[in-house]
Amino acid sequence: TQLLEQSPQFLSIQEGENLTVYCNSSSVFSSLQWYRQEPGEGPVLLVTVVTGGEVKKLKRLTFQFGDARKDSSLHITAAQPGDTGLYLCAGEDTGNQFYFGTGTSLTVIP
Amino acid sequence: DVKVTQSSRYLVKRTGEKVFLECVQDMDHENMFWYRQDPGLGLRLIYFSYDVKMKEKGDIPEGYSVSREKKERFSLILESASTNQTSMYLCASCGWRQIYEQYFGPGTRLTVT
Repeated sequence: TQLLEQSPQFLSIQEGENLTVYCNSSSVFSSLQWYRQEPGEGPVLLVTVVTGGEVKKLKRLTFQFGDARKDSSLHITAAQPGDTGLYLCAGEDTGNQFYFGTGTSLTVIP
Repeated sequence: DVKVTQSSRYLVKRTGEKVFLECVQDMDHENMFWYRQDPGLGLRLIYFSYDVKMKEKGDIPEGYSVSREKKERFSLILESASTNQTSMYLCASCGWRQIYEQYFGPGTRLTVT
């Protein structure tokens, strides 16, 4: 059973388009993280959200934690080829168990 | 910057061989992890260690063992490699109270033939 479900699994868009990636769970999380993994490399932490309803911005990336702390979204504005990679959400539930989602593979076509 | 290094980027081994994957971190982190990553399955935790000589099984420990003799070094051992252990292996570390902010190495792509 996958505790963190990400959608879509694959996404291919043109440069300049906007996109949103979702991370959903039926469990409540104390915190939720987003990582980006480029081909052939390990994941790199982008952001941590801890408060329900929290919104964080990292340049063209906007991260939101759901009010009930069961879901999160990542929105990218004006995608660039450098945004290509695997986006992983991860979180620590209220029982101190840590999980990774299955990932969303994003390809931005120049 | 935190640096996590892994001994090899690519490795090819034969079925039945004993395989050692090493991971070193330079930030004095207490926690270290070994994951494998397979298409469609995401990252799966094999083992983790929260202190020197301490280890805990993750979700898929079968066929693997680990060693942590020094704080900065965490080794993953495949006692007798099998083809179903062909995968990308990722090592990570984090501080004691920052289990959710893990720093990853570049990964080792292991192929068992």
